[in-house]
Amino acid sequence: QQQVKQSPQSLIVQKGGISIINCAYENTAFDYFPWYQQFPGKGPALLIAIRPDVSEKKEGRFTISFNKSAKQFSLHIMDSQPGDSATYFCAASMGSGGYQKVTFGIGTKLQVIP
Amino acid sequence: DGGITQSPKYLFRKEGQNVTLSCEQNLNHDAMYWYRQDPGQGLRLIYYSQIVNDFQKGDIAEGYSVSREKKESFPLTVTSAQKNPTAFYLCASSIPRIGNSPLHFGNGTRLTVT
Repeated sequence: QQQVKQSPQSLIVQKGGISIINCAYENTAFDYFPWYQQFPGKGPALLIAIRPDVSEKKEGRFTISFNKSAKQFSLHIMDSQPGDSATYFCAASMGSGGYQKVTFGIGTKLQVIP
Repeated sequence: DGGITQSPKYLFRKEGQNVTLSCEQNLNHDAMYWYRQDPGQGLRLIYYSQIVNDFQKGDIAEGYSVSREKKESFPLTVTSAQKNPTAFYLCASSIPRIGNSPLHFGNGTRLTVT
């Protein structure tokens, strides 16, 4: 059962364009929504995260939009650059005792072409 | 620099052999995790540990085993019972009991079983 649905699976964007990746979740107990960026041969690294009491969070060129009622959230990359080419994972998390129960989307492979 | 070290980066084994993947962290995190990454399937949780000498099965634990004898170390053994062991394995850690916090990942071990 896929609790976090991510789309698209792949995305090609021109340099300077806007990249948009969408995610939807089902479990309303999730209370933390991070995005991870992964380059080939490397582990994922936290890019930006949001909590459900906030509708938008911006860090530089990266923005998360969050719609609690629709149970959807999205990542926008403004002025996309070739160096942004990577795989992006959305995730939904809840604290469970002493660990984070994290459910990941299937990932979006982004290619930014010059 | 604090971080998670996974070794080796590439591992090749014959079918029927057990193999152990190493994960060491110097972040002083209590919680540690093992994920498996396959194309188009995101990251799936194999095992997690909240504290030394304690660990729990994740979503796909069959054919795997772990130990947590030291806070810094969380090795994963892929046994011959794992039907499809070829994959990219990621170790992660987090700070528990401080709300939700991000996962810190190592750079993975790519296991190929022939």
